[in-house]
Amino acid sequence: KNQVEQSPQSLIILEGKNCTLQCNYTVSPFSNLRWYKQDTGRGPVSLTIMTFSENTKSNGRYTATLDADTKQSSLHITASQLSDSASYICVVSARDSNYQLIWGAGTKLIIKP
Amino acid sequence: KAGVTQTPRYLIKTRGQQVTLSCSPISGHRSVSWYQQTPGQGLQFLFEYFSETQRNKGNFPGRFSGRQFSNSRSEMNVSTLELGDSALYLCASSFTLVGGGNEQFFGPGTRLTVL
Repeated sequence: KNQVEQSPQSLIILEGKNCTLQCNYTVSPFSNLRWYKQDTGRGPVSLTIMTFSENTKSNGRYTATLDADTKQSSLHITASQLSDSASYICVVSARDSNYQLIWGAGTKLIIKP
Repeated sequence: KAGVTQTPRYLIKTRGQQVTLSCSPISGHRSVSWYQQTPGQGLQFLFEYFSETQRNKGNFPGRFSGRQFSNSRSEMNVSTLELGDSALYLCASSFTLVGGGNEQFFGPGTRLTVL
């Protein structure tokens, strides 16, 4: 069964600190993996998309890594800011006829001053 | 380019009523997907429309339906509302990525409350 699991469920860190969010998936065949940021009550916004051949991708202070062999991805946030408080969602696209998207439940990140 | 727009932004209904939500995709995008998000839960896929045809469907009861018009605008309808239908309903428009799959852009959502 295609699944995406994220950890931790929630995380609280102090402003200025770094953090890493995890995503494990069992999606086959694999097409790509995305990370989204969702502010409370708003639609998700794409941070990165990585294909099978990409190991790492950055978007400002956000860096995503992908290990296609172990089917794991991480999102590293550097020098966190209060505006980083949000849910971060990992989504994997299956390379099937419809490129089905399998959504993780998200990690809720809270940045404290 | 204007982003994805959804109307209305907030809606309050009572059990048993029906509701219609609207989504206007980014100009040029032909695919529109709908999602339901309940408090503390991940996004649950409802359905996807492409060129006025339903291309994918999630595991929701038949009370949830949708359609897409020739200008790519989409509507979703929920009949016989239940308390559990209270949620944020998100619409995403997308274009096809090189190599397959698509890139989704989300609207601000419609917050539906069923009393």
